[in-house]
Amino acid sequence: AQRVTQPEKLLSVFKGAPVELKCNYSYSGSPELFWYVQYSRQRLQLLLRHISRESIKGFTADLNKGETSFHLKKPFAQEEDSAMYYCALWVTGGGNKLTFGTGTQLKVEL
Amino acid sequence: NAGVTQTPKFQVLKTGQSMTLQCAQDMNHEYMSWYRQDPGMGLRLIHYSVGAGITDQGEVPNGYNVSRSTTEDFPLRLLSAAPSQTSVYFCASSPPSGRTYNEQFFGPGTRLTVL
Repeated sequence: AQRVTQPEKLLSVFKGAPVELKCNYSYSGSPELFWYVQYSRQRLQLLLRHISRESIKGFTADLNKGETSFHLKKPFAQEEDSAMYYCALWVTGGGNKLTFGTGTQLKVEL
Repeated sequence: NAGVTQTPKFQVLKTGQSMTLQCAQDMNHEYMSWYRQDPGMGLRLIHYSVGAGITDQGEVPNGYNVSRSTTEDFPLRLLSAAPSQTSVYFCASSPPSGRTYNEQFFGPGTRLTVL
């Protein structure tokens, strides 16, 4: 069965420091991966998807099939990056479903 | 466009009561889904629908029913509420894009407490 693992419940960094939110997945098919973000008192929203190979708000994520990882990175953290981040895997076998990880709370301190 | 709307925002139930969480979207999206969000467990898929008249079970469907009579609406029914169903419930929708469904648009959530 598919699984998405985010090993850190909470990640605390100082403003200006690099950020890496870890995400590992297990899936027998071809993975389609996403990062969603939930800012305080806001709706969950898409941050980026691996297929687009884009950088959003300074964040990037590279799919590494060998390590089955999709870590989210940003070179210099900003205070407004503080939020809950979810890694998600789109599964097509046996239905069309989005499987989420347990989430990582990022706290950027001044 | 209002996007994805959910009602109510908050609800308190007693064990054994039933209720329906409402979800509507005005973006003509084919795919709609319900998740529950619990501390330390992330979002878990309850039920989903790829179009009107079609529904399927997700990861945690027990105790919940859904129907999809129109493209716009996707209500979630709790048949007999239990304290284990205390959670925040999110509805989401997305348009089809080839063989995958891309960005999911989420509603604001319903915070449910079962006493």
